[in-house]
Amino acid sequence: KQEVTQIPAALSVPEGENLVLNCSFTDSAIYNLQWFRQDPGKGLTSLLLIQSSQREQTSGRLNASLDKSSGRSTLYIAASQPGDSATYLCAFRGTGFQKLVFGTGTRLLVSP
Amino acid sequence: ETGVTQSPTHLIKTRGQQVTLRCSSQSGHNTVSWYQQALGQGPQFIFQYYREEENGRGNFPPRFSGLQFPNYSSELNVNALELDDSALYLCASSLGTVGANTGELFFGEGSRLTVL
Repeated sequence: KQEVTQIPAALSVPEGENLVLNCSFTDSAIYNLQWFRQDPGKGLTSLLLIQSSQREQTSGRLNASLDKSSGRSTLYIAASQPGDSATYLCAFRGTGFQKLVFGTGTRLLVSP
Repeated sequence: ETGVTQSPTHLIKTRGQQVTLRCSSQSGHNTVSWYQQALGQGPQFIFQYYREEENGRGNFPPRFSGLQFPNYSSELNVNALELDDSALYLCASSLGTVGANTGELFFGEGSRLTVL
């Protein structure tokens, strides 16, 4: 059974810091991995999608990397801002049926 | 380009009742999947529809059922509601092929169901 773990569960930082969110998965047969942002009580906003053939993807201040051999992905946020405060979820898609398997998320608070 | 839209946004039901949630997929997307997100948890896969056929199902009982229509919009129906069904129900659309999601999933804002 595929499991996705996100560490830390919660993170509080002052504005301007660079930070790293971690995601690990147990199944090496990965098709792609997607990072999402979720604001309280809201839906999911897609941030980055990394295909299994890729090592990283970048969008603005966000950079996501994928290491299939170690079963890990990281989301790097540069120069954090209070508007970045949200829960960040990673989701694994395997090479089988390809449903998304989610972690429980990292709750980020960026203070002014 | 229209994103994924869901209705209703909030609803309250009592135990034993039935509920229908609706989803309009993003323009050009032929695959719709539904997820249940309990408070403080990550979303859990319910099922997926591709071109009006269910082509994948998670660990949910048969009282969770769905439909996809020719315009690729979708419904999630839950019968005999239980207290544990209280959750945020998320719909996602994508462009898929037979038996597979090939691309990025885009989610709606969700329907918050409370069962009393």
